[in-house]
Amino acid sequence: ETGVTQTPRHLVMGMTNKKSLKCEQHLGHNAMYWYKQSAKKPLELMFVYSLEERVENNSVPSRFSPECPNSSHLFLHLHTLQPEDSALYLCASSQDFSSGGYEQYFGPGTRLTVT
Amino acid sequence: GQNIDQPTEMTATEGAIVQINCTYQTSGFNGLFWYQQHAGEAPTFLSYNVLDGLEEKGRFSSFLSRSKGYSYLLLKELQMKDSASYLCAVMDSNYQLIWGAGTKLII
Repeated sequence: ETGVTQTPRHLVMGMTNKKSLKCEQHLGHNAMYWYKQSAKKPLELMFVYSLEERVENNSVPSRFSPECPNSSHLFLHLHTLQPEDSALYLCASSQDFSSGGYEQYFGPGTRLTVT
Repeated sequence: GQNIDQPTEMTATEGAIVQINCTYQTSGFNGLFWYQQHAGEAPTFLSYNVLDGLEEKGRFSSFLSRSKGYSYLLLKELQMKDSASYLCAVMDSNYQLIWGAGTKLII
């Protein structure tokens, strides 16, 4: 049990659908992350929230929209996705580095398939 | 640009020792991480090196040479459960992790 949960674990959606991924951390951390993991590629950092403020947005297409209502919850809203967006989406949390934290704890991921 | 290189796949036998190498070129350096990821599961933290030298933690050890931009993860007394992908990541000057593509270890 890593203390970071993600729902759903699997999602199949059409290109015209709208869906949301949810992440919750029970570790008291103050930073949360969304990553995309595609087969045989490095983890791609998508968004970072620190103290509920977005501090990083790595040129992610606008069809991905993050939301961080509080330090324990993180959402990724999806709309009009493309087949190449099919991947494993991982959420992670950590203490902010300036607070002395560095280790990121990952959730189990959501396997997304866009048809 | 920023780059992390590690072998795609390695094979080893039970009880043996294996060394997984990682070389990096990043804008700034605030430490190097190794994570383990079993198929279909979340990555889990193994080690963190910020100073040169060897850090030992049970059967796993991690080495760092900042001047050479090089690290390795050493796994001793390999067990079947060690079959997984091993991810190398460097924290850059913005405190963001830059990840390698991972090394799949087959026991």
